[in-house]
Amino acid sequence: AQSVTQLGSHVSVSEGALVLLRCNYSSSVPPYLFWYVQYPNQGLQLLLKYTSAATLVKGINGFEAEFKKSETSFHLTKPSAHMSDAAEYFCAVSVGGNDMRFGAGTRLTVKP
Amino acid sequence: EAGVVQSPRYKIIEKKQPVAFWCNPISGHNTLYWYLQNLGQGPELLIRYENEEAVDDSQLPKDRFSAERLKGVDSTLKIQPAELGDSAVYLCASSLTSGRGETQYFGPGTRLLVL
Repeated sequence: AQSVTQLGSHVSVSEGALVLLRCNYSSSVPPYLFWYVQYPNQGLQLLLKYTSAATLVKGINGFEAEFKKSETSFHLTKPSAHMSDAAEYFCAVSVGGNDMRFGAGTRLTVKP
Repeated sequence: EAGVVQSPRYKIIEKKQPVAFWCNPISGHNTLYWYLQNLGQGPELLIRYENEEAVDDSQLPKDRFSAERLKGVDSTLKIQPAELGDSAVYLCASSLTSGRGETQYFGPGTRLLVL
């Protein structure tokens, strides 16, 4: 069955530092993978998605993720963190019928 | 373009009471999803509609939960009777189709507290 595992429930970085949020997937078929962001008391907003095209996917707000089949990973990065990046981030894999399986989430804190 | 609309945003009820949540998807989106999000966890699918047909309700606790999507547009999710463990955020999402990889757009959710 398809699933994702997010390593680290909480990540803290300084403003201007590299952001790295880790996601590993398990899938019996070529996966479609997503990163969503959730700000407090809001719904989820799509950051980027991988649908078997380019392995390096660029998203909104300066985020990008690289699909690595050999490592079954889809880590999210941003070169320089901004205070406004503080939020909860969810990795997800799409299964049949576009049903999504979400990870448990990683809370990103950005220190000034 | 208006996003997914949900109401109410917050609801506090006593256990054993009924409660209903409403969702209006993005115009033209055929597929509608209801998710349950417990505190500190990712969303979990409850039910998926394609137009007015519920095509995946395997995770919906049918003894107390029900849903409908009349006319294939807006949808209502109901809990009767509510239990303490139902306290969570209920998210609605929609997508243009149910094709794999299609982007799902989420509403702000309804935060339910059962006392």
